[in-house]
Amino acid sequence: DAKTTQPPSMDCAEGRAANLPCNHSTISGNEYVYWYRQIHSQGPQYIIHGLKNNETNEMASLIITEDRKSSTLILPHATLRDTAVYYCIVRVGISSGSARQLTFGSGTQLTVLP
Amino acid sequence: NAGVTQTPKFQVLKTGQSMTLQCAQDMNHNSMYWYRQDPGMGLRLIYYSASEGTTDKGEVPNGYNVSRLNKREFSLRLESAAPSQTSVYFCASRYLPSSTDTQYFGPGTRLTVL
Repeated sequence: DAKTTQPPSMDCAEGRAANLPCNHSTISGNEYVYWYRQIHSQGPQYIIHGLKNNETNEMASLIITEDRKSSTLILPHATLRDTAVYYCIVRVGISSGSARQLTFGSGTQLTVLP
Repeated sequence: NAGVTQTPKFQVLKTGQSMTLQCAQDMNHNSMYWYRQDPGMGLRLIYYSASEGTTDKGEVPNGYNVSRLNKREFSLRLESAAPSQTSVYFCASRYLPSSTDTQYFGPGTRLTVL
Protein backbone atom coordinates (compact mmCIF):
# COMPACT_ATOMS: atom_id res chain seq x y z
CA ASP A 1 0.00 0.00 0.00
CA ALA A 2 1.26 3.47 -0.87
CA LYS A 3 2.46 5.68 1.97
CA THR A 4 0.30 8.65 2.91
CA THR A 5 1.19 11.94 4.60
CA GLN A 6 -1.32 14.03 6.55
CA PRO A 7 -0.94 17.10 8.78
CA PRO A 8 -1.08 16.07 12.45
CA SER A 9 -3.79 18.55 13.39
CA MET A 10 -6.22 21.12 12.02
CA ASP A 11 -8.88 23.41 13.41
CA CYS A 12 -12.12 24.43 11.73
CA ALA A 13 -14.91 26.78 12.77
CA GLU A 14 -18.32 25.20 13.24
CA GLY A 15 -20.47 25.60 10.14
CA ARG A 16 -17.52 26.15 7.85
CA ALA A 17 -16.06 23.65 5.41
CA ALA A 18 -13.24 21.46 6.69
CA ASN A 19 -10.66 20.59 4.04
CA LEU A 20 -8.33 17.78 5.04
CA PRO A 21 -5.37 17.14 2.74
CA CYS A 22 -3.52 13.90 2.08
CA ASN A 23 -0.40 13.29 0.02
CA HIS A 24 0.11 9.91 -1.63
CA SER A 25 2.77 10.61 -4.25
CA THR A 26 3.69 6.93 -4.77
CA ILE A 27 0.14 5.77 -5.46
CA SER A 28 -0.21 3.23 -8.25
CA GLY A 29 -2.94 2.97 -10.84
CA ASN A 30 -4.95 0.26 -9.10
CA GLU A 31 -4.91 1.79 -5.64
CA TYR A 32 -7.97 3.39 -4.11
CA VAL A 33 -7.99 6.31 -1.68
CA TYR A 34 -10.10 5.68 1.43
CA TRP A 35 -11.02 7.99 4.27
CA TYR A 36 -12.02 6.81 7.73
CA ARG A 37 -12.41 8.69 10.97
CA GLN A 38 -12.34 7.74 14.63
CA ILE A 39 -14.22 9.82 17.12
CA HIS A 40 -12.77 9.50 20.60
CA SER A 41 -13.56 6.13 22.21
CA GLN A 42 -15.67 4.99 19.25
CA GLY A 43 -15.09 2.50 16.48
CA PRO A 44 -13.54 3.71 13.21
CA GLN A 45 -16.09 4.96 10.71
CA TYR A 46 -15.85 4.66 6.94
CA ILE A 47 -16.42 8.00 5.20
CA ILE A 48 -15.71 7.73 1.48
CA HIS A 49 -13.39 6.27 -1.11
CA GLY A 50 -12.38 6.91 -4.72
CA LEU A 51 -10.09 5.78 -7.51
CA LYS A 52 -9.76 8.61 -10.02
CA ASN A 53 -12.88 10.71 -10.07
CA ASN A 54 -14.16 13.03 -7.41
CA GLU A 55 -16.76 11.43 -5.18
CA THR A 56 -19.53 12.75 -2.97
CA ASN A 57 -21.82 11.08 -0.49
CA GLU A 58 -24.02 12.22 2.37
CA MET A 59 -21.05 12.68 4.67
CA ALA A 60 -18.33 14.26 2.57
CA SER A 61 -16.70 14.96 -0.77
CA LEU A 62 -13.41 13.52 -1.98
CA ILE A 63 -11.34 15.50 -4.45
CA ILE A 64 -8.48 13.59 -6.11
CA THR A 65 -5.95 15.53 -8.18
CA GLU A 66 -5.54 14.62 -11.82
CA ASP A 67 -2.12 13.04 -11.21
CA ARG A 68 -3.63 11.18 -8.19
CA LYS A 69 -0.70 12.18 -6.00
CA SER A 70 -2.87 13.97 -3.47
CA SER A 71 -6.46 14.24 -2.34
CA THR A 72 -8.67 16.39 -0.13
CA LEU A 73 -11.55 15.30 2.06
CA ILE A 74 -14.16 18.03 2.39
CA LEU A 75 -16.74 18.15 5.17
CA PRO A 76 -18.99 20.88 3.78
CA HIS A 77 -20.51 22.17 7.03
CA ALA A 78 -18.47 20.94 9.97
CA THR A 79 -20.20 20.41 13.31
CA LEU A 80 -18.79 19.80 16.77
CA ARG A 81 -19.58 16.09 16.29
CA ASP A 82 -17.09 15.98 13.42
CA THR A 83 -14.19 16.42 15.85
CA ALA A 84 -12.19 13.24 15.31
CA VAL A 85 -8.98 11.77 13.93
CA TYR A 86 -9.24 11.43 10.15
CA TYR A 87 -7.26 8.76 8.35
CA CYS A 88 -6.35 8.68 4.67
CA ILE A 89 -5.49 5.17 3.46
CA VAL A 90 -4.37 3.98 0.05
CA ARG A 91 -5.02 0.34 -0.83
CA VAL A 92 -5.30 -1.85 -3.88
CA GLY A 93 -8.62 -3.37 -4.78
CA ILE A 94 -8.83 -6.91 -3.40
CA SER A 95 -10.39 -10.07 -4.68
CA SER A 96 -13.35 -11.82 -3.17
CA GLY A 97 -12.43 -14.15 -0.35
CA SER A 98 -9.31 -12.31 0.69
CA ALA A 99 -8.94 -10.10 3.70
CA ARG A 100 -6.24 -7.73 4.79
CA GLN A 101 -5.62 -5.74 7.90
CA LEU A 102 -6.81 -2.17 7.70
CA THR A 103 -3.78 -0.15 8.77
CA PHE A 104 -4.25 3.41 9.94
CA GLY A 105 -1.35 5.85 10.06
CA SER A 106 -1.27 8.71 12.52
CA GLY A 107 -4.03 10.69 10.78
CA THR A 108 -5.16 14.30 11.25
CA GLN A 109 -6.80 15.40 14.48
CA LEU A 110 -9.59 17.72 13.35
CA THR A 111 -10.99 19.96 16.05
CA VAL A 112 -14.20 21.82 15.20
CA LEU A 113 -14.42 24.99 17.27
CA PRO A 114 -17.71 26.61 18.36
CA ASN B 1 -30.51 -1.44 10.60
CA ALA B 2 -28.15 -1.61 13.60
CA GLY B 3 -24.98 -2.23 11.57
CA VAL B 4 -22.29 -3.96 13.65
CA THR B 5 -23.09 -4.58 17.32
CA GLN B 6 -20.76 -5.79 20.05
CA THR B 7 -21.35 -7.07 23.56
CA PRO B 8 -20.36 -6.38 26.22
CA LYS B 9 -19.31 -2.72 26.06
CA PHE B 10 -17.03 -3.01 29.10
CA GLN B 11 -15.49 -5.95 30.92
CA VAL B 12 -13.01 -6.41 33.76
CA LEU B 13 -11.35 -9.81 34.14
CA LYS B 14 -8.82 -11.29 36.49
CA THR B 15 -5.74 -12.97 35.06
CA GLY B 16 -6.59 -16.51 33.98
CA GLN B 17 -10.32 -15.97 33.55
CA SER B 18 -11.98 -16.66 30.24
CA MET B 19 -14.62 -14.78 28.31
CA THR B 20 -16.23 -14.48 24.89
CA LEU B 21 -16.76 -11.22 23.05
CA GLN B 22 -19.79 -11.25 20.80
CA CYS B 23 -20.20 -9.51 17.45
CA ALA B 24 -23.15 -9.46 15.07
CA GLN B 25 -23.90 -7.61 11.83
CA ASP B 26 -27.20 -7.19 10.04
CA MET B 27 -25.85 -5.93 6.71
CA ASN B 28 -25.59 -9.36 5.08
CA HIS B 29 -21.81 -8.95 4.87
CA ASN B 30 -19.64 -11.93 4.08
CA SER B 31 -16.37 -11.01 5.81
CA MET B 32 -15.91 -10.24 9.47
CA TYR B 33 -12.85 -9.14 11.47
CA TRP B 34 -11.59 -8.78 15.01
CA TYR B 35 -9.10 -6.00 15.80
CA ARG B 36 -7.52 -4.75 18.96
CA GLN B 37 -6.45 -1.16 19.59
CA ASP B 38 -4.08 -0.30 22.39
CA PRO B 39 -3.90 3.28 23.76
CA GLY B 40 -2.37 5.68 21.25
CA MET B 41 -1.82 2.93 18.73
CA GLY B 42 -3.36 1.73 15.53
CA LEU B 43 -5.55 -1.27 14.85
CA ARG B 44 -4.06 -4.75 14.82
CA LEU B 45 -5.92 -7.63 13.22
CA ILE B 46 -6.44 -10.64 15.48
CA TYR B 47 -8.53 -12.97 13.32
CA TYR B 48 -10.79 -12.67 10.34
CA SER B 49 -13.42 -14.70 8.57
CA ALA B 50 -13.54 -14.16 4.83
CA SER B 51 -16.84 -16.02 4.58
CA GLU B 52 -19.13 -18.21 6.66
CA GLY B 53 -17.32 -21.39 7.66
CA THR B 54 -13.79 -20.03 7.32
CA THR B 55 -11.47 -18.29 9.77
CA ASP B 56 -7.85 -17.20 9.48
CA LYS B 57 -5.21 -15.71 11.73
CA GLY B 58 -4.28 -12.07 11.52
CA GLU B 59 -1.26 -10.25 12.89
CA VAL B 60 -1.74 -11.01 16.62
CA PRO B 61 -3.74 -14.27 17.09
CA ASN B 62 -1.94 -15.73 20.11
CA GLY B 63 -4.18 -16.11 23.16
CA TYR B 64 -7.40 -15.87 21.15
CA ASN B 65 -9.82 -18.17 19.38
CA VAL B 66 -12.74 -17.31 17.14
CA SER B 67 -15.97 -18.87 15.96
CA ARG B 68 -17.97 -17.85 12.91
CA LEU B 69 -21.29 -19.05 14.22
CA ASN B 70 -23.27 -18.12 11.11
CA LYS B 71 -23.18 -15.36 8.53
CA ARG B 72 -24.23 -12.74 11.07
CA GLU B 73 -22.15 -13.63 14.11
CA PHE B 74 -18.41 -13.81 14.81
CA SER B 75 -17.21 -14.32 18.37
CA LEU B 76 -13.77 -13.88 19.94
CA ARG B 77 -12.75 -15.99 22.94
CA LEU B 78 -10.01 -15.38 25.45
CA GLU B 79 -9.31 -18.74 27.09
CA SER B 80 -6.97 -17.51 29.83
CA ALA B 81 -6.85 -13.73 29.99
CA ALA B 82 -3.54 -11.94 30.57
CA PRO B 83 -2.86 -8.28 31.44
CA SER B 84 -1.29 -7.86 27.98
CA GLN B 85 -4.75 -8.41 26.52
CA THR B 86 -6.06 -5.23 28.12
CA SER B 87 -7.25 -3.31 25.09
CA VAL B 88 -10.24 -2.07 23.12
CA TYR B 89 -11.58 -4.74 20.79
CA PHE B 90 -13.36 -3.82 17.58
CA CYS B 91 -15.33 -6.07 15.31
CA ALA B 92 -15.79 -5.11 11.65
CA SER B 93 -17.51 -6.47 8.58
CA ARG B 94 -17.13 -6.06 4.84
CA TYR B 95 -19.36 -6.85 1.90
CA LEU B 96 -18.20 -9.34 -0.72
CA PRO B 97 -17.86 -9.52 -3.68
CA SER B 98 -17.02 -5.83 -3.62
CA SER B 99 -13.42 -5.32 -4.71
CA THR B 100 -13.10 -2.28 -2.51
CA ASP B 101 -12.02 -2.69 1.08
CA THR B 102 -14.70 -0.79 2.95
CA GLN B 103 -15.00 -2.06 6.49
CA TYR B 104 -17.76 -1.15 8.95
CA PHE B 105 -16.89 -1.20 12.62
CA GLY B 106 -18.77 -1.85 15.83
CA PRO B 107 -18.59 0.42 18.88
CA GLY B 108 -15.94 -1.67 20.64
CA THR B 109 -15.51 -3.66 23.84
CA ARG B 110 -13.22 -2.15 26.46
CA LEU B 111 -11.46 -4.98 28.27
CA THR B 112 -9.29 -4.65 31.36
CA VAL B 113 -7.38 -7.66 32.67
CA LEU B 114 -6.08 -7.26 36.21
